[in-house]
Amino acid sequence: QSVLTQPPSASGTPGQRVTISCSGSSSNIGNNAVSWYLQLPGAAPKLLIYSNTQRPSGVPDRFSGSKSGTSASLAISGLQSEDETDYYCAAWDDSLNGLVFGGGTKLTVL
Amino acid sequence: EVQLVQSGAEVKKPGESLQISCKASGYSFSTYFIAWVRQMPGKGLQWIGIIYPSDSDTRYSPSFQGQVTISADKSISTAFLQWSGLGSSDSAIYYCARLYARKLDYWGQGTLVTVSS
Repeated sequence: QSVLTQPPSASGTPGQRVTISCSGSSSNIGNNAVSWYLQLPGAAPKLLIYSNTQRPSGVPDRFSGSKSGTSASLAISGLQSEDETDYYCAAWDDSLNGLVFGGGTKLTVL
Repeated sequence: EVQLVQSGAEVKKPGESLQISCKASGYSFSTYFIAWVRQMPGKGLQWIGIIYPSDSDTRYSPSFQGQVTISADKSISTAFLQWSGLGSSDSAIYYCARLYARKLDYWGQGTLVTVSS
């Protein structure tokens, strides 16, 4: 049981815009920044979004993040076949004094 | 270039001890936290704990407290994750990552640990 709640799956067609939600509480998302990670099959996770909305260099601007209250979202516009993989949200939790993760969302490009 | 290079895959029997490593390069190892994250087969990411190499300040997730030991050797820019007695439930991929401003900005390639009799 993950501390942050993500839908287990999401899907879209090429060129479409999809969003993935991440729900938490006041001790994590409500009080701290959210980061998002992408994990290709057989590879280590990679930072995709940090500080709710910021993209590391090299991440396409098709990827965007937002946060409101105790929830956050990752949006992917202009969906491409290579976007088909797993996505995780994370946030610092003040009660646990550590990073907590969502259970992950498997994105399928139809 | 920041790099975290982890030790290779391990196959162990239940009850055996194990230490895996994570060697950092390309930045000042002592002044950034190193985190350890577990990923069980087909499952999501779980926070194990962190260490600040400069003073070895270590913090564990309650779920892993007492189950593993995190350490670091500044002289060789390497962090370690250790078990004194493995169980089958420890079979997983273990990642180290650099923690900066409460985000994991660089990750190691992962170490697969298989515990089987």
